[in-house]
Amino acid sequence: RKEVEQDPGPFNVPEGATVAFNCTYSNSASQSFFWYRQDCRKEPKLLMSVYSSGNEDGRFTAQLNRASQYISLLIRDSKLSDSATYLCVVSPRGSQGNLIFGKGTKLSVKP
Amino acid sequence: EAQVTQNPRYLITVTGKKLTVTCSQNMNHEYMSWYRQDPGLGLRQIYYSMNVEVTDKGDVPEGYKVSRKEKRNFPLILESPSPNQTSLYFCASSYTPRGAGSTDTQYFGPGTRLTVL
Repeated sequence: RKEVEQDPGPFNVPEGATVAFNCTYSNSASQSFFWYRQDCRKEPKLLMSVYSSGNEDGRFTAQLNRASQYISLLIRDSKLSDSATYLCVVSPRGSQGNLIFGKGTKLSVKP
Repeated sequence: EAQVTQNPRYLITVTGKKLTVTCSQNMNHEYMSWYRQDPGLGLRQIYYSMNVEVTDKGDVPEGYKVSRKEKRNFPLILESPSPNQTSLYFCASSYTPRGAGSTDTQYFGPGTRLTVL
């Protein structure tokens, strides 16, 4: 089982749609979790950290299920500008500097 | 402006010719890291540094060297580049290491596209 797995997509959705991305991780001792966004040929940028209690930032909601080793990102009311690749990132416990990136899920929002 | 800079942005070289990709940050960050990104493989960590003179291997360190003599700089050195090191390289920095439970944002540089012929 890969350390961090994501559905590669692409997810093609119309503007205004709600879209959900899922991510699973293999190391049960993982400590920190994040979603990054990467536009084509650009550097990744932090979208949001993921907390055990779940967290929301505007149209974006992230959730963590430690028991199932599962992370999700929900985007409501999709905009054209949401088109990008979304990367799930996990930091294993005991390895402070080591970050494991998923391969990313590509989202394309169409008019 | 707070930023991470990388140079060069694009480089085409030949097998065996030593090269260095520089990375510099102006945010006084302790933590810096190098990644490579390849189609179908995603971002993979090469090396990281928790502070000056403290470096550690990531997931794919073979064929690379790094140094951290100053807080702001973290160069990536390819002593004898090979075609399998053709990739897109990103440098990143943050105040503290992510794994410490920190929520500090990790800032990425714009990337260096390297081709080794």
